[in-house]
Amino acid sequence: QVQLQESGPGLVKPSETLSLTCSVSGDSISPYYCNWIRQPPGKGLEWIGHIHYRGSTDYNPSLKSRVTMSVDTSKKQFSLNLSSVTAADTAVYYCARVSSAYYTPLDYWGQGTLVTVSS
Amino acid sequence: DIQMTQSPSSLSASVGDRVTITCRASQSISNYLNWYQQKSGKAPKLLIHTTSSLQSGVPSRFSGSGSGTDFTLTISSLQPEDLATYYCQQSYITPFTFGPGTKVDVK
Repeated sequence: QVQLQESGPGLVKPSETLSLTCSVSGDSISPYYCNWIRQPPGKGLEWIGHIHYRGSTDYNPSLKSRVTMSVDTSKKQFSLNLSSVTAADTAVYYCARVSSAYYTPLDYWGQGTLVTVSS
Repeated sequence: DIQMTQSPSSLSASVGDRVTITCRASQSISNYLNWYQQKSGKAPKLLIHTTSSLQSGVPSRFSGSGSGTDFTLTISSLQPEDLATYYCQQSYITPFTFGPGTKVDVK
């Protein structure tokens, strides 16, 4: 069974970089895309962007200047970096899989990890 | 960006009731509309993809319809375990966007 698991620090200081990893088990990471989605406490879902297992990326323009995604195929891991964080970046961060860049749904999700931005 | 709206924002219904949630896109997204169920403290779960295709393992009381800009999610007979927030999402063009959610309460 496919499983995705987010990991990373639960607390990040303002102006620093948030770094998370999504580990995939139960299936190959090819030919899939890893999407990152976040949800501020009590609010809705925001798509951050996605990365293909071969490394091509597509970021939400609202976050593009601060987002970097990467992939380590040998470890079956995808990573998200979000720089210059503020309190507004406090959210549960999810990784989720799609099978193509467009049209397909987010069929498998990680459990999510809460990241709080605070000094 | 394509804006997604949902109505109502919340509803309360009795067990066995038929429940309908509407989702509207700010421009045509063909049939690339997905529905997710999110229970409290959990990750969203895919219910329906491409407007009307039921994800494997999802009960048949859930159904979807629509095309272009207007879509609906229907629960034919509400069950206690359907207590959740439901989100629509367009996968037609990036940035992918979600509706604001509809919170369903079971009386």
